[in-house]
Amino acid sequence: EAGVAQSPRYKIIEKRQSVAFWCNPISGHATLYWYQQILGQGPKLLIQFQNNGVVDDSQLPKDRFSAERLKGVDSTLKIQPAKLEDSAVYLCASSSVLAGPADTQYFGPGTRLTVL
Amino acid sequence: AQKVTQAQTEISVVEKEDVTLDCVYETRDTTYYLFWYKQPPSGELVFLIRRNSFDEQNEISGRYSWNFQKSTSSFNFTITASQVVDSAVYFCALRFSGGYNKLIFGAGTRLAVHP
Repeated sequence: EAGVAQSPRYKIIEKRQSVAFWCNPISGHATLYWYQQILGQGPKLLIQFQNNGVVDDSQLPKDRFSAERLKGVDSTLKIQPAKLEDSAVYLCASSSVLAGPADTQYFGPGTRLTVL
Repeated sequence: AQKVTQAQTEISVVEKEDVTLDCVYETRDTTYYLFWYKQPPSGELVFLIRRNSFDEQNEISGRYSWNFQKSTSSFNFTITASQVVDSAVYFCALRFSGGYNKLIFGAGTRLAVHP
């Protein structure tokens, strides 16, 4: 079974530029998550989708970050404009149960963003 | 408040030594799940184990074992006879019934196993 796919793996941009990350979850997984992992810290949830609807985006900086999950499969996370503090690894995860507490999240390899 | 604390920032051991990674959690929920993930240098978080709040039975899987104690709110992870391939950052995480069941991660413990 293929795992969670993410692209690109690395991205370097200047501040105030825009950037987009793509995620393809494990086939059949209804729930998709985007996490931000700043160097030396644990991942922090940015947004959670159930199929193509947003379940939790309470920690998403909505003035610059946006995400969508069209057709309940692939997802895109966008930052516009980027700030220096957005430098981090952006991890995508997916899970198969309807956001129940027993649900296990499986993670992709992440996209490492460097903002100069 | 929901919180996970991994007090050990970095641990360095020599191969074949046993090592224990500590995890202390806080939650007001009576139903919750605890997880351990491994993050090797490649960056991908690899799921290791899930434990629910009603099951305090310790678990052993090969060289890995987990000790869950609700009385001390701890979920510690032990690697027996460590190997160089165990070198990674290990994260403990909490998932609770409220808050849409999101994972709350600790800051991680970086384990370096030297030959």
